[in-house]
Amino acid sequence: GENVGLHLPTLSVQEGDNSIINCAYSNSASDYFIWYKQESGKGPQFIIDIRSNMDKRQGQRVTVLLNKTVKHLSLQIAATQPGDSAVYFCAESLTGANNLFFGTGTRLTVIP
Amino acid sequence: DVKVTQSSRYLVKRTGEKVFLECVQDMDHENMFWYRQDPGLGLRLIYFSYDVKMKEKGDIPEGYSVSREKKERFSLILESASTNQTSMYLCASRTSGGSYEQYFGPGTRLTVT
Repeated sequence: GENVGLHLPTLSVQEGDNSIINCAYSNSASDYFIWYKQESGKGPQFIIDIRSNMDKRQGQRVTVLLNKTVKHLSLQIAATQPGDSAVYFCAESLTGANNLFFGTGTRLTVIP
Repeated sequence: DVKVTQSSRYLVKRTGEKVFLECVQDMDHENMFWYRQDPGLGLRLIYFSYDVKMKEKGDIPEGYSVSREKKERFSLILESASTNQTSMYLCASRTSGGSYEQYFGPGTRLTVT
């Protein structure tokens, strides 16, 4: 697999602040990227995805930014809440591939 | 909603035992996956299957085998469990359509003593 997700392992933010979780990927051929959230004791849950023909996509309180020039992906969470505390994984894939390549994850801790 | 279920949340086995981890999905997905998750290493793909009776090795298949006799069920088998297979095992499934999103089960935490 490709080396995905060379990013900080932990991030602490104050409740109400915005969070930015970063992820770097190494395969310039990747054309699909996805963010997952994993709460303690649970399997990963889909947050948002983006294809390489876009550089920004917004969901509910979350935004994913893709910078293909520097092979960088970020997840922005607006008005971070205690329920956002979890491990966040980025993953990449490319057209024709069956599987996702996951990063090592970033643990987000929200301080009340 | 897609539901992926795994047969056990917690499992404790002895070294040398044969271990079966079962995964069932209810959305008629063609593709199913087994990952192991270890601290600092993220999710690593063990095996995946893109159709009944079809399987492909992932990044770390050594010590594991799989079985896909029915579309909804994908089993991970540890022929002779070892302590270094103590881990969280996650099953996932996805359609063969346009989305690459994988739907995950809750995981099975396996401890081999």
